[in-house]
Amino acid sequence: EVQLVESGGGLVKPGGSLRLSCAASGFTFSSHNINWVRQVPGKGLEWVSSISDSGRYKWYADSVKGRFTISRDNAESSLHLQMNSLTADDTAVYFCARETFYDFWTGDYRNYYYYMDVWGKGTAVTVSS
Amino acid sequence: DIVMTQSPLSLPVTPGEPASISCRSSQSLLHSTGYNFVDWYLQKPGQPPQLLIYLGSNRASGVPDRFSGSGSGTDFTLKISRVEAEDVGVYYCMQSLQSPRTFGQGTKAEIK
Repeated sequence: EVQLVESGGGLVKPGGSLRLSCAASGFTFSSHNINWVRQVPGKGLEWVSSISDSGRYKWYADSVKGRFTISRDNAESSLHLQMNSLTADDTAVYFCARETFYDFWTGDYRNYYYYMDVWGKGTAVTVSS
Repeated sequence: DIVMTQSPLSLPVTPGEPASISCRSSQSLLHSTGYNFVDWYLQKPGQPPQLLIYLGSNRASGVPDRFSGSGSGTDFTLKISRVEAEDVGVYYCMQSLQSPRTFGQGTKAEIK
């Protein structure tokens, strides 16, 4: 069964740090980009960060750039999110989500469309004094 | 950032009846390939989002054919041909044309 399981959430004081993890199973982890998406309880979804299949490329939302670091260990099929300088605005449930691509041809060109097809159940982060 | 605006925000649905959700983007999501870079998700109560539609109109694996996505440019629609009780939850559209990916506010579908 394809599965993503997040861990590492909890209560942390403003200015503190937390490291989230996402354990993958049931698929070839090293073949997929992975994302972090967060959701303030009762609110909408916000993309946070992505990492390429090799780990070479990383992307961040402006709201977390410089404070969060995404990384992965393909040998362990795991993803991590190091979160520093946390504020109350970072309080949310954090989901990891796998990307899969759909390829299609336009003329002689092969194109790829990436979409998030498998999501973990999430881990809750609360930043409060 | 591209802003995604959904309507309605609350959608009372009746089992067996059709339902639709609108999503409007602040910029065109039509890629040079001719495809629209928009996805639809459903988040059932207490669960993570699940993918319904990708690339505007492609149903994800395992998604019933009562769900369909349509639209182009800045206006998109998710349609449910015949609502079932299990379809309740919050529906989100999301654009993948530009980074950062952005989501609509969500449309909460509840049984009338």
